[in-house]
Formats: sequence, C-alpha cells, structure tokens
Amino acid sequence: QITLKESGPTLVKPTQTLTLTCTFSGFSLTTSGVGVGWIRQPPGKALEWLGFIYWDDDNRYSPSLKSRLTFTKDTSKNQVVLTMTNMDPLDTGTYYCAHRAVAGTPWFDPWGQGTLVTVSS
Amino acid sequence: QPALTQPPSASASLGASVTLTCTLSSGYSDYKVDWYQQRPGKGPRFVMRVGAGGIVGSKGDGIPDRFSVLGSGLNRYLTIKNIQEEDESDYHCGTDHGSGSNFVWVFGGGTKLTVL
Repeated sequence: QITLKESGPTLVKPTQTLTLTCTFSGFSLTTSGVGVGWIRQPPGKALEWLGFIYWDDDNRYSPSLKSRLTFTKDTSKNQVVLTMTNMDPLDTGTYYCAHRAVAGTPWFDPWGQGTLVTVSS
Repeated sequence: QPALTQPPSASASLGASVTLTCTLSSGYSDYKVDWYQQRPGKGPRFVMRVGAGGIVGSKGDGIPDRFSVLGSGLNRYLTIKNIQEEDESDYHCGTDHGSGSNFVWVFGGGTKLTVL
C-alpha cells in the first residue's frame, strides 16, 4: 500500500523560504519510472501543478514557478523535499505530494493528505 | 498547451445520475484527462483516466462501478449513477502536455457536486 504525508511549517513570512517534506512508503524512488509530484491548492480555488521529482533526478517544474522551486530526494529516508523561495501571500494554500509511475500509472495516485501553508507577516 | 474548462457547480438528487464535463481547448481532442474526487477537507483521489475512446487503464482503488467515463470530441465526461451522499465532492480534471523541459500538467477549475 502506497502512502504519502506532507509536513512542514504552517506559517511563513513573506520573502521567507518554504521547506516541505513528503514522507512516503510503499514504493521506492530508486525504481525506474517512479516519481513524486507536488500540487497546491489556494483556499477555495483550483489545483495547481508545481512539478515532479523522478527516480533519475530528471525533475520537472511549473514554468511560472521554476525560478523559485527546487525538489530534492533522500532515498534512504523515503523522503522528497520541496523548497520554494521568496514566499508571498498568494502562495497560501494546501500543498500536496502524490505518487506517479510514468509507465504503469501515469496519473497522480495516491495523494497525501496535504498540509496548509499560510504566508503572512 | 491545453486548457481545461469545468462548470463550477452541479447538483443531483440522491439516487439520481449526473454527468460532469471537462472540456479541452481547441486542438487537443486526442488528449486524455484524469478525473479526481476531492471530498470536503480531504486530499484528491484518483477516479480514472479517459480518452476519446473511453476509459484508459483501470479505475482508482475503491471507485464504485457507479462511476463511468466517456470521451467525445473535446469533452471528457464523468457520469455518476445512483448518487450517494458520499459522492458530494469537488471533481477535478487534469492532463499533461509536452515532454522534456516543456512538460506541464494542467488542471481544470473543478466542479462542486452537491447531492440534494
């Protein structure tokens, strides 16, 4: 059974850097074709794709956020880390990580429960 | 890149059927779309993928047989039969586009389904 869980600060100040951790089980990020996606959702609004981190470090980033985002992984801990710089109140929302297997199940499945991040001074 | 359009709301009575629509922008009629269910206060859950020819692959874990999909032209439909209270959720569609450094994933605005 695959599970994912996001963790990190609930409140960050404008201009600060956000660091979120996605801890997962039931799969390995050393397996070919496997990746973890990051998606966020402002309160009451639509989902927004942030990017993917893959087993081979061939990461993908949303063009609109590429300059602010970095994904890394620690395969020994089964964790991926999202870093987003220069946070703004418009970045407030729930951040999700989700499993993706490019070859077999190329959709987001399953998702974590999400973690709400508020950007405010 | 494609854009996905969803009506913001839909409603149906308990036990009735409802069809939700996700419309691709012009020129993308061969694209597949994923449907996700998001119950209040929960993370999204994969429902199934749909292309122009219908379902692609398998349904998500625990998705009842009451859920089905259809594709026609630029539209990708999710039909729920015999609606239950637990089906009251936001439903999102999403698709991917491009490859390599041009890869993007886009979502529609979501449809809030109310069970009457």
